[in-house]
Amino acid sequence: KAGVTQTPRYLIKTRGQQVTLSCSPISGHRSVSWYQQTPGQGLQFLFEYFSETQRNKGNFPGRFSGRQFSNSRSEMNVSTLELGDSALYLCASTGTDYGYTFGSGTRLTVV
Amino acid sequence: DQQVKQNSPSLSVQEGRISILNCDYTNSMFDYFLWYKKYPAEGPTFLISISSIKDKNEDGRFTVFLNKSAKHLSLHIVPSQPGDSAVYFCAASAKLAGRRALTFGSGTRLQVQP
Repeated sequence: KAGVTQTPRYLIKTRGQQVTLSCSPISGHRSVSWYQQTPGQGLQFLFEYFSETQRNKGNFPGRFSGRQFSNSRSEMNVSTLELGDSALYLCASTGTDYGYTFGSGTRLTVV
Repeated sequence: DQQVKQNSPSLSVQEGRISILNCDYTNSMFDYFLWYKKYPAEGPTFLISISSIKDKNEDGRFTVFLNKSAKHLSLHIVPSQPGDSAVYFCAASAKLAGRRALTFGSGTRLQVQP
């Protein structure tokens, strides 16, 4: 079965712009979680969606938002980009087991 | 407040020797623990897990040990191979309000020297 697909793989934006990242989970998985990875900070939890509803949210400013569609695909949006938003953004989907399956991520560079 | 801590940001071992990666947690509600491995430019991939009802789980060269009283778990890789060089993330799971969430540590970069 297909894995978790994230698009685009790489993105370069300038400060003040906004960006939208996409994630298609494994077929049948209804939960999608987003993480930010920066050097030395590990995986910081952004939010989780299940059946189009945000179930949990991490400690990020309101510039970070997301949504989930009826087909379980999810998008996250970052508005008014800052240099510190440069990171690898990872999406993970989960079915009924305990673990997450991650996508390859979107590398965002803010210049 | 970091609930899952990996205090060693990096570790270097010789090929064929044992690699031991450590992880500490603070939340007593965690009842399932996982290790993920991450190569550059790829997403983390699941490696091995352990339930809180066990103290050891083995899968080939990988063994995870759980010490609940110390709130400590470790991943042993024996023998270590150059292909094991990657960043390893410890993760802990708790069931809250009927659902599960994973909390990750900051990762340990393992370098296996040929």
